[in-house]
Amino acid sequence: DAGITQSPRHKVTETGTPVTLRCHQTENHRYMYWYRQDPGHGLRLIHYSYGVKDTDKGEVSDGYSVSRSKTEDFLLTLESATSSQTSVYFCAITERQGAGGYTFGSGTRLTVV
Amino acid sequence: DQQVKQNSPSLSVQEGRISILNCDYTNSMFDYFLWYKKYPAEGPTFLISISSIKDKNEDGRFTVFLNKSAKHLSLHIVPSQPGDSAVYFCAASAGGTSYGKLTFGQGTILTVHP
Repeated sequence: DAGITQSPRHKVTETGTPVTLRCHQTENHRYMYWYRQDPGHGLRLIHYSYGVKDTDKGEVSDGYSVSRSKTEDFLLTLESATSSQTSVYFCAITERQGAGGYTFGSGTRLTVV
Repeated sequence: DQQVKQNSPSLSVQEGRISILNCDYTNSMFDYFLWYKKYPAEGPTFLISISSIKDKNEDGRFTVFLNKSAKHLSLHIVPSQPGDSAVYFCAASAGGTSYGKLTFGQGTILTVHP
């Protein structure tokens, strides 16, 4: 998606290892979000950021941490990966909340074995 | 507790006909609603939104209807095209401390047959 990239696109990792996913934007948008998509659940909010160093928890934040040291980068860390964290992870950005659609990245497919 | 529900996992429609996708919500604090479309291996893309002060919003072939008393919204696609085949998610957000955080439904797979 233009202006927002996620890396890596695919990752396989072992249970108990730490994993970091990266979301990079070139839009200079203030708000950034991490969601996970699972069958039967749609997309669920993990963490979000409303500015550099300003982050907060979403509905499924256990086992995840985030950091935002620069406007353009929002990192999601799985401190000790578990099989229940196998999922597709999406990052989203918006300049103004409630003003319209959010722009999503293409996703990271994470498999924890 | 699923606050936004799309009770139809899939919908099949003939090209040129109307597609109607439905969404129900339980949280009366939701005041902004959106529809997203998602193709495989891509992120969701924004389609159309509606504020709770309105009951209808149109954008080309897409119209969203909101019935606040029933806590129900629907997306109408007329006429449907094969390129509309995708997963459709409805989403909602509330004011206050939840402002801007989207709650999504489970998604409905739309298939439009030529």
